[in-house]
Amino acid sequence: DTGVSQDPRHKITKRGQNVTFRCDPISEHNRLYWYRQTLGQGPEFLTYFQNEAQLEKSRLLSDRFSAERPKGSFSTLEIQRTEQGDSAMYLCASSAGQVSTDTQYFGPGTRLTVL
Amino acid sequence: DAKTTQPNSMESNEEEPVHLPCNHSTISGTDYIHWYRQLPSQGPEYVIHGLTSNVNNRMASLAIAEDRKSSTLILHRATLRDAAVYYCILRVFIIQGAQKLVFGQGTRLTINP
Repeated sequence: DTGVSQDPRHKITKRGQNVTFRCDPISEHNRLYWYRQTLGQGPEFLTYFQNEAQLEKSRLLSDRFSAERPKGSFSTLEIQRTEQGDSAMYLCASSAGQVSTDTQYFGPGTRLTVL
Repeated sequence: DAKTTQPNSMESNEEEPVHLPCNHSTISGTDYIHWYRQLPSQGPEYVIHGLTSNVNNRMASLAIAEDRKSSTLILHRATLRDAAVYYCILRVFIIQGAQKLVFGQGTRLTINP
């Protein structure tokens, strides 16, 4: 079990550019989540996948954001036309348990800085 | 979304017990109470969770009030490695049996040697 991995760990981009992040969940975890964490705040839920289906999206996920999980394995989160307000840590988590025991395991995050 | 409230910061000494409080007065009957902790530049790490009864694991204990409107995370003997931001979280249902984590602001725990 290698845990949840995310790539890249850090991304610096200029305003208006597009960026894409990747998340590899724990093997055989069918549930995958994206969260965003701004400085000094707790993470906030963005979106949820069950296998390859994106079943829930937060109001925080504007139309510049798109997430995919082809074949129910890794996931990507793309931000188009980045804005300075998009600067944050983007966290991915995965889980697979029954309701009573379900535990989300987080990756190390991708820190995005928009100049 | 249901909300949790925690002290911004707490301080304790090494090898002493630590009690981290959390209020969640708007919790609903199906919401689980989770605690995670986070070190700088790392993702949150699971600590413990419960629904109604008190819970123990190798990392900590979780005491849940009878009305479920508050809970306390207990670290029995704090070490320097326990210094982190501790989040009290409600796991709420979203769709098709899946849940999302609703984080509070967290408590920054400092451990003095």
